[in-house]
Amino acid sequence: GAGVSQSPSNKVTEKGKDVELRCDPISGHTALYWYRQSLGQGLEFLIYFQGNSAPDKSGLPSDRFSAERTGGSVSTLTIQRTQQEDSAVYLCASSLVLTAAKNIQYFGAGTRLSVL
Amino acid sequence: AQKVTQAQTEISVVEKEDVTLDCVYETRDTTYYLFWYKQPPSGELVFLIRRNSFDEQNEISGRYSWNFQKSTSSFNFTITASQVVDSAVYFCALSEAGTASKLTFGTGTRLQVTL
Repeated sequence: GAGVSQSPSNKVTEKGKDVELRCDPISGHTALYWYRQSLGQGLEFLIYFQGNSAPDKSGLPSDRFSAERTGGSVSTLTIQRTQQEDSAVYLCASSLVLTAAKNIQYFGAGTRLSVL
Repeated sequence: AQKVTQAQTEISVVEKEDVTLDCVYETRDTTYYLFWYKQPPSGELVFLIRRNSFDEQNEISGRYSWNFQKSTSSFNFTITASQVVDSAVYFCALSEAGTASKLTFGTGTRLQVTL
């Protein structure tokens, strides 16, 4: 597609269940980012990928969060044993390159996660 | 550590008024990049502009203009002759060289333009 695609757009789950959020970046973009937007924390960085590699996982809020990227394209953010504080909008972005001098991140519409 | 401050939480204007959204940033790096994004009710963050730290030239794009001043660490955004379609939340963001371009966002300014 022309833009960053995220699915599902909305996800309601029960506390303790696992969820998977998907991001399909713009074709040819090597860098991919995950951010979280919540009322209390604003927009916060979670993790980035250069190709299939995620060198820095320090932004992930807990070890219940993990992410992977395959084929240099689609990425999945997985949250295990969801908690109510995980409720937020999860945004994915991609950029043609990682290098700051040429980096412009284009965002998807996000996945709104509600944990009951 | 880097920080972005958008002190204006919400602004309401009447259509055709000019409005300026403030952004103040903090960074220890000499090379950094500043961004503005628009988030309409649909939720998608829309890229508006990127400036690098060594280019203080102001920029105008249609009704939008940006004023970058390193002396005051500010990167303000002005909308001239605002329209209802400009209603959205606007985010200022910063990335530093060597940080894999991770964006640090301000808390956003909600702009409401009414008829």
